[in-house]
Amino acid sequence: EVQLVESGGGLVQPGGSLRLSCAASGFTFNTYWMSWVRQAPGKGLEWVANIKLDGSEKNYVDSAKGRFTISRDNAKNSLFLQMNSLRSEDTAVYYCARGAQGLTRLFDIWGQGTMVTVSS
Amino acid sequence: DIVMTQSPDSLAVSLGERATINCRSSQSVLYSSNNKNYLSWYQQKPGQPPKLLISWASTRESGVPDRFSGSGSGTDFTLTISSLQAEDVAVYYCHQYYTWPTFGQGTKVEIK
Repeated sequence: EVQLVESGGGLVQPGGSLRLSCAASGFTFNTYWMSWVRQAPGKGLEWVANIKLDGSEKNYVDSAKGRFTISRDNAKNSLFLQMNSLRSEDTAVYYCARGAQGLTRLFDIWGQGTMVTVSS
Repeated sequence: DIVMTQSPDSLAVSLGERATINCRSSQSVLYSSNNKNYLSWYQQKPGQPPKLLISWASTRESGVPDRFSGSGSGTDFTLTISSLQAEDVAVYYCHQYYTWPTFGQGTKVEIK
């Protein structure tokens, strides 16, 4: 079964850091682009970042540039999001999403998400 | 960024009736070299992640019931549920992948 399982969310103070993880299974991880997409409570979807098959290319939404870092470990079938200088507006459910085969920005498989709350 | 605007924000439809959701992009998502619209539709039920229903504006994903259909080209698109079922209650999002991904604000579909 193709599966993505996120972890690492929690409550953090403004200015703090958090590292999210996503464990992939059921498919050949190193042949897919991967992304993080977030959803603030009661709001819509916002793409955050993506990473190429071998990690050689990374892209971010403007609000994440300089604060978030996406990475992957293909040997461990894992995706990560290091989030620094967190703000209240970063509060959201963070989803790990697989890029559809051959595409970077269409998401065909999603994890269940991990909640990040930034509050004092 | 390409801005995606859906209408309406919510709609209530009787079981078995048709539901229609519109999506407009601030610029064309039709790629001229392959004549494909880089537009997809997702369904999100409460407490669940989004599920990809339709890609390339009109191609249903495997396992998606044929009561779901997508149409449109360029900047104007439509998702139609031909005969609403109880399990279709959800929020539906359009999404462009022509450039850096952006989503519509969502349309909540309920039973009347």
